[in-house]
Amino acid sequence: DADVTQTPRNRITKTGKRIMLECSQTKGHDRMYWYRQDPGLGLRLIYYSFDVKDINKGEISDGYSVSRQAQAKFSLSLESAIPNQTALYFCATSASRQGARPHTQYFGPGTRLTVL
Amino acid sequence: SQQGEEDPQALSIQEGENATMNCSYKTSINNLQWYRQNSGRGLVHLILIRSNEREKHSGRLRVTLDTSKKSSSLLITASRAADTASYFCATDAHSGGGADGLTFGKGTHLIIQP
Repeated sequence: DADVTQTPRNRITKTGKRIMLECSQTKGHDRMYWYRQDPGLGLRLIYYSFDVKDINKGEISDGYSVSRQAQAKFSLSLESAIPNQTALYFCATSASRQGARPHTQYFGPGTRLTVL
Repeated sequence: SQQGEEDPQALSIQEGENATMNCSYKTSINNLQWYRQNSGRGLVHLILIRSNEREKHSGRLRVTLDTSKKSSSLLITASRAADTASYFCATDAHSGGGADGLTFGKGTHLIIQP
C-alpha cells in the first residue's frame, strides 16, 4: 500500500550496529505501530503511538526504541542490533476519529532486516 | 502472547473448492478482524466483525463469530489461485483504559492448487 511506506526495504547489518527503520504515511492517521514477524509466527507488537506526544511499549519492546517525529512519521531504532532481531518489520497505521473503522490497520510493505 | 490462534496452520485445496479457517481467542473482544498476507508482503485487511455480530459477508468471504465459544471462522468460497496466502485473525480486546494495537494469531497458510 503506497499510503504507508517503509525504508529501507532490505537491510543487512552486523551485531552491535545501530539501525533505524523509517515509516511514513499519507493516510492522515493519528495512530502508528511497529510489529515484527518471525517465520511461522504471527505479528508481535513492538511499540505504538496514538499521537506525536504518545508512545507506548508493546509486547516486545526490549532492545528497541521509537521516535514519532511528526504525525506522518514513526521511526524504529535498534540501538545495538543482535542476531535474534533478524526479522521482517512492519509499520502500520490506523485512525481513531469517529466514523473510521475502529482499529483497522493499514500496513506498509515491510523491511527485511538481517543481523549477522 | 498471542490472543488469537488459527487452525489449521496450513491448508491445501483444489481451485474452486471452499476453504475454511478457524480462529480461537481467549479474552473478551470489541471486534475481530481477518487479514491476508501474500508472501513477504504487508498485511491487507479483509473483513471486520463486531462482537455483537454473528455473521458477515464480503464478496467470496464469509466470517462467523461465536463469542460464547470465543471463536471465529473465515470461509473463502470458490477459491482461486490468487487466494494463496497466509490468513491471520486479529483481535481488538476490551481494554478498560486505553486501547492498544491488535493482537494477531500465527496464521493459516492457504495454498490453492490449480
